[in-house]
Amino acid sequence: DSGVTQTPKHLITATGQRVTLRCSPRSGDLSVYWYQQSLDQGLQFLIQYYNGEERAKGNILERFSAQQFPDLHSELNLSSLELGDSALYFCASSVGTETQTQYFGPGTRLLVL
Amino acid sequence: GNSVTQMEGPVTLSEEAFLTINCTYTATGYPSLFWYVQYPGEGLQLLLKATKADDKGSNKGFEATYRKETTSFHLEKGSVQVSDSAVYFCALGGSARQLTFGSGTQLTVLP
Repeated sequence: DSGVTQTPKHLITATGQRVTLRCSPRSGDLSVYWYQQSLDQGLQFLIQYYNGEERAKGNILERFSAQQFPDLHSELNLSSLELGDSALYFCASSVGTETQTQYFGPGTRLLVL
Repeated sequence: GNSVTQMEGPVTLSEEAFLTINCTYTATGYPSLFWYVQYPGEGLQLLLKATKADDKGSNKGFEATYRKETTSFHLEKGSVQVSDSAVYFCALGGSARQLTFGSGTQLTVLP
């Protein structure tokens, strides 16, 4: 158990809908990262937050957004969902923005029908 | 930019066989290198890491040495078990701090 929690574990929704994925980092970790794992793209970095502020952006679509709250939990919002958004979404956390060792949550499996 | 090239799978071995999964990288500066493991239906677990050249990371019988001259970080285990069956990911932590992952190698160990 990494100490990173993610909810929900599974999510099934329809095209055009909007969903919110939630992540709680390990106790003491200030950085949260979001990754997408799909069969065709592999594991791709989406976005990083550190202590409430966005720090780095990767291959995140404009339809996706994230935020980190004062209690350090983070939410990833996916809107206008398409079939191709079906994937595993992982959250990871680390102590600081300079620390590269990241600990991953169990993931949220999203299926868009 | 940063990239990781990982040995393609799937790899199938018999129990107690020797395992090598190749990983090479391209990066600027002096990245940290990681191996993560993903068991069926689970998230990614950090297996081992190395933060500078010639460092050897080790955990649960797995080892990998950070070779700057060959830009490699190959994963090895002397005697695999059925319980080692999983997908293994090589990853690079660059200056941008997010991890860049290889494509993953599926390992199946047969009894």
